[in-house]
Amino acid sequence: DSGVTQTPKHLITATGQRVTLRCSPRSGDLSVYWYQQSLDQGLQFLIQYYNGEERAKGNILERFSAQQFPDLHSELNLSSLELGDSALYFCASSVGDVYGYTFGSGTRLTVV
Amino acid sequence: EDKVVQSPLSLVVHEGDTVTLNCSYEVTNFRSLLWYKQEKKAPTFLFMLTSSGIEKKSGRLSSILDKKELFSILNITATQTGDSAVYLCAVQNTGNQFYFGTGTSLTVIP
Repeated sequence: DSGVTQTPKHLITATGQRVTLRCSPRSGDLSVYWYQQSLDQGLQFLIQYYNGEERAKGNILERFSAQQFPDLHSELNLSSLELGDSALYFCASSVGDVYGYTFGSGTRLTVV
Repeated sequence: EDKVVQSPLSLVVHEGDTVTLNCSYEVTNFRSLLWYKQEKKAPTFLFMLTSSGIEKKSGRLSSILDKKELFSILNITATQTGDSAVYLCAVQNTGNQFYFGTGTSLTVIP
């Protein structure tokens, strides 16, 4: 157990729907990062939050949004889902910006 | 366009062999280079490199960065079957964005 908790582990939903993925960082970590890993595109950085504020943005689609709450857990919202959104979504956390990053076990999203 | 390229794509070796994995990058405003090991689950952090020429070492694994030539290598000596995994290289820029390579798949056979 890495200390980073992601729920749910698996999610199957239909196209056009909306889902919320949840991440609880390791105790004491202020930064949360979201990544998407698909078979054809490898691991892609989506977005980072630090202590509740957006810190960095990567290849995140406009249909996707995220936030980090006062208790530091984060949610990634995916809307108007398409088949191509099927992927493994990882959350990682770190103390700040420049230390090692600990990944959660991921949420596998399947859009049918 | 910022990019990270890893080579080889795939590698099969016998236990006890030494392997060298390569990562080259073209990323504006470089901050750090990170190596991860990914088995059938989440990536696990191996090394973070920020300065050229300083080797980071952890057991049989070591890594070094060359910021002039824009590459890093990950060495694994005396490989074991447990080293079989995909090794990912990522570069972080000063805007905290990450760029990942496609990974090198290492298979160590007994």
